Formats: sequence, structure tokens, C-alpha cells
Amino acid sequence: GAGVSQSPSNKVTEKGKDVELRCDPISGHTALYWYRQSLGQGLEFLIYFQGNSAPDKSGLPSDRFSAERTGGSVSTLTIQRTQQEDSAVYLCASSPGTLQVETQYFGPGTRLLVL
Amino acid sequence: GQQLNQSPQSMFIQEGEDVSMNCTSSSIFNTWLWYKQDPGEGPVLLIALYKAGELTSNGRLTAQFGITRKDSFLNISASIPSDVGIYFCATGMGNQFYFGTGTSLTVIP
Repeated sequence: GAGVSQSPSNKVTEKGKDVELRCDPISGHTALYWYRQSLGQGLEFLIYFQGNSAPDKSGLPSDRFSAERTGGSVSTLTIQRTQQEDSAVYLCASSPGTLQVETQYFGPGTRLLVL
Repeated sequence: GQQLNQSPQSMFIQEGEDVSMNCTSSSIFNTWLWYKQDPGEGPVLLIALYKAGELTSNGRLTAQFGITRKDSFLNISASIPSDVGIYFCATGMGNQFYFGTGTSLTVIP
């Protein structure tokens, strides 16, 4: 498709399990971003990639969170040993260039529920 | 981290009414953006503002970049049912991006 896609669309997991969330950016977009949206909250910026590199990982909530991007395309956000407070919608966005908040195109998100 | 204070948190209005919402920050920014998020979807950009005092329209939507560069306003005129959703202000600086907590809009036909 032409837009940003994310999978799975919904994920229910048990506390303590690991989860992987996938993002497929728009073809040709060099920058990719991950956000977390908790219920009733705004978007919390987690991390961005320029190509395969993530220059600043300080936005990740804890060391249980990690992200990688391969081939300048698909990105995976991994949450290890999930906790109930990790329940949220995880949104991915991509843009043609770096650090262009106005040209970020968002995917539909992955709704994560940790029981 | 930076906080963008957005108000009101929610609004319930009659179809045809005008809507106003605003966003404030404690820091100065060079860009203000307004997004709309429909249920089950990611945010979609509505309006982008790049200059203090700038007033920009997009159909029935009008947004302004505050003179102090610490705030922005979004107005929706003659609301219609499809205006329902959550509206977010957003900005960024360097390698950080910030979103407001959102204004949930309900339009009653």
C-alpha cells in the first residue's frame, strides 16, 4: 500500500512476555519515528531513525524497550518482559527527510494490551 | 520533558457551531502543527504554522501561531459530524517532538 503500515493491529499479551511491533514505512522515506499513546493522552515520542541509525535513544521509557531498523525500511519495536503500564497504542510514522515533524505520515498503530 | 498544555480536554457541540481550542508551552518553538486523529487511525496533519503571528486556513479550519511563539489556536467553523475526533497540537525542536494531550470533539447532529 501507499501508506505506513503496522502489524499487528492489536496485540494482547501476558505480563512478562516479550512483544515485537512492526512498522513498514512509506517507500523511499528515510526517517522513521515511534510514538506511544496511552489512553486519553497525547503522543509520547520514543525514538527516530535516520536510515538504519537511531542517534538518540533517550526517549525510550526503559531498557526493556529497544528498536531497530534494517535496510532503511522496516522497523521493529521490541518490548521485553512486558508490564501492564506498557499497554498503549504504539504509533509509527515516516517522513521523506529527517526531523520534519510536519511531513510525518502516521500508521494506524498497534494496540497493545498487557494483562 | 516538554509539556504542551492543550485545552479544553473535550468538547460536546451542536452541529453548525464554531469550535476553538488552544495549546500552550513553556518554551518557544518555531513551528506549530495541528493534527486530527480519527478512531483507530494515526494522526493526520491539518495545518502547519511556521511564523509568529501567522494565520493559516484550511477550509473551515483556521489556526494561528501565537505572537509569543509559546502558543497556538485552532478554530473550526460551522462544525459537521465528520469533525468528530481528537485534535492534537504538536511541535518539535532538534531531534525531539512533542504532542499535546488532545482535545476530543463530539459533534451532536
